[in-house]
Amino acid sequence: NAGVTQTPKFQVLKTGQSMTLQCAQDMNHNSMYWYRQDPGMGLRLIYYSASEGTTDKGEVPNGYNVSRLNKREFSLRLESAAPSQTSVYFCASSALGTGGYYEQYFGPGTRLTVT
Amino acid sequence: SQQGEEDPQALSIQEGENATMNCSYKTSINNLQWYRQNSGRGLVHLILIRSNEREKHSGRLRVTLDTSKKSSSLLITASRAADTASYFCATRKEAGTASKLTFGTGTRLQVTL
Repeated sequence: NAGVTQTPKFQVLKTGQSMTLQCAQDMNHNSMYWYRQDPGMGLRLIYYSASEGTTDKGEVPNGYNVSRLNKREFSLRLESAAPSQTSVYFCASSALGTGGYYEQYFGPGTRLTVT
Repeated sequence: SQQGEEDPQALSIQEGENATMNCSYKTSINNLQWYRQNSGRGLVHLILIRSNEREKHSGRLRVTLDTSKKSSSLLITASRAADTASYFCATRKEAGTASKLTFGTGTRLQVTL
């Protein structure tokens, strides 16, 4: 199992450009998440998808859109990138762990710089 | 806003010593989880403690939870250089697959030889 994979690993955009961050998981998890991580801020939830066909806003959704393409894939789109979106982006999926509680599995991250 | 705040922000200890980091949160929770993040990598789940539990152990990890004070602590005993990482607490308000996790700001642990 590859777990959670993300592409690209690094990206530099100019202000106003658009791009899509890709995420895929091969663990047959129902729920998937997109976070951003800024220095000293921990992780903040952007969007999540409880199951295929559903998406919901998290804490910081402005400037982003998502698509749950199928059970495996959950993409994050920046329509018009801004310097404030410079961050490291993590995708995660969740599954039932031991003890009957859900834990999240994270991808390696995408480091995005907007100039 | 962040649910949790961690204390200290950074901790430097020598190999073999114990490391303690604390997490405070704001609202009632169903469970609290601790994650580790090595530099430049994604987060890895370490341990989960339920709201009706007070203490839990896993190998060299010991987690406590005090719901009356809305706080948790993570103790790593006999630390090793490989424990160098950032550690995050995360809280979940309700059980269930889509229930969101809210992360704290993290503690950076440096273990020196």
